Amino acid sequence: QVQMVQSGAEVKKPGASVKVSCKTSGYPFTGHYMHWVRQAPGQGLEWLGWINPNSGGTKYAQKFQGRVIMTRDTSISTHFMEVSRLTSDDTAIYYCARYPLSAVGSPFDYWGQGTLVTVSS
Amino acid sequence: QAVVTQEPSLTVSPGGTVTLTCGSSTGAVTSGHYPYWFQQKPGQAPRALTYDTTNKYSWTPARFSGSLLGGKAALTLSGAQPEDEADYYCLLSYSGVWVFGGGTKLTVL
Repeated sequence: QVQMVQSGAEVKKPGASVKVSCKTSGYPFTGHYMHWVRQAPGQGLEWLGWINPNSGGTKYAQKFQGRVIMTRDTSISTHFMEVSRLTSDDTAIYYCARYPLSAVGSPFDYWGQGTLVTVSS
Repeated sequence: QAVVTQEPSLTVSPGGTVTLTCGSSTGAVTSGHYPYWFQQKPGQAPRALTYDTTNKYSWTPARFSGSLLGGKAALTLSGAQPEDEADYYCLLSYSGVWVFGGGTKLTVL
C-alpha cells in the first residue's frame, strides 16, 4: 500500500535551515511529482512547490524562490525539502503530497502525515 | 502571484445545500486552472474531494460536486451532514504554479 512517511518534528533558531524528508513506498517513485504544502498554526494552506522525480526539475512559489530547495534521492525513494534563513513566520506543519506525472492516477490522493517545524529563539 | 479568494465562513443547516466559491485575481476561473477542492478537519491532513473541476475521488461522498459557476470554481454540498463541518480549500494552477485559496470554514448548524 502507498505510504508517505515524513521526518519528525524540528525546533530551529531564527536564521537556521531545516530539511524535511518524505519517504515513499508502495508505488513507483518516478511516477509522481511531489508537492510540498505548509500550514502555519491556525492559518490556511500554502503551496511551496513541486519536484519532478525523474529530472529533478522544480517549480517554486514566487515567495519561496531562493529560500526553498526541493531534492530527491531515487535510490531510497525519498524526497527532501529544505528551507533556509528561517524566521518565526516559517513555523508551520509541512506536508508532502503526490501528483501523478501521467493522466493515470488520482492527483493529491496521498499525503504525508506532516512535519511540525518550530522556529524559536 | 495570483490571489485566490474564498468565503471566510458559511453556515448550512443539516440536510441543506450550500455552495462554496473560489475566485481568481487574474480573472475568470476556467478548466485550465484545474480547480481542486480539499476538506480539512482539525488535527488532520487535508483530503482531496474533487479535481480538474468536476472529478471525484473514490472516497468523495456523492453529496459533494464541483463545477464552474459565474467565473468561479464552485463546490456544492447537497444534503449537508454534521460530519461535513470542516475547513474547505480550493487550489488553482497557474501554468504549473499552484495557489490555495484562504479557505472557508463551513459550519453545519
